[in-house]
Amino acid sequence: SAVISQKPSRDICQRGTSLTIQCQVDSQVTMMFWYRQQPGQSLTLIATANQGSEATYESGFVIDKFPISRPNLTFSTLTVSNMSPEDSSIYLCSVGPITSGRARDTQYFGPGTRLTVL
Amino acid sequence: DAKTTQPTSMDCAEGRAANLPCNHSTISGNEYVYWYRQIHSQGPQYIIHGLKNNETNEMASLIITEDRKSSTLILPHATLRDTAVYYCIVRASRGNTGKLIFGQGTTLQVKP
Repeated sequence: SAVISQKPSRDICQRGTSLTIQCQVDSQVTMMFWYRQQPGQSLTLIATANQGSEATYESGFVIDKFPISRPNLTFSTLTVSNMSPEDSSIYLCSVGPITSGRARDTQYFGPGTRLTVL
Repeated sequence: DAKTTQPTSMDCAEGRAANLPCNHSTISGNEYVYWYRQIHSQGPQYIIHGLKNNETNEMASLIITEDRKSSTLILPHATLRDTAVYYCIVRASRGNTGKLIFGQGTTLQVKP
């Protein structure tokens, strides 16, 4: 499996500010994804982070609000811009497939970043 | 990707087998069935996946019906630590094409 780390693990932010979340994986991966999980809800896919090109956003999510970078095959960032209390969620990075080995078909998740916006 | 239907919640006695059903009647030929679970406040954990044959690993068994329209995840000897939300997801093909789209899942409560 892949080892995925996210920074920060949690943060409390003021309305109107921005927060950048980092995702680092210990293996080269083809795909990296960002999800949001609002309180008491299931996971919602925000976007696919594409290496070397613009991210692909799901319906309801836009680049101005959630800019994403992916400079290489092991790292990505998600920024939550101009935050409001409605952005309070857990943000999860997910990766896969691993580029080699038996785990090729599997997608793995990071521990998440718990964001509270006041 | 095909949609899945799962019961909202289930209970299971500790030490007994937990059988979690999932319906995916619109699944297509190149779609895999994946199971993940999410223990409170943690990232989802991969459990198992399969295409048409039954699969078993150290965590669980996955039984897929012959017509592939439904499946069952089996935790053979449930423990209190298996209490979690279990997600059944259908995803297109292998490799770098399919996205995991989560439904509401089944909340499994393992009781002493």
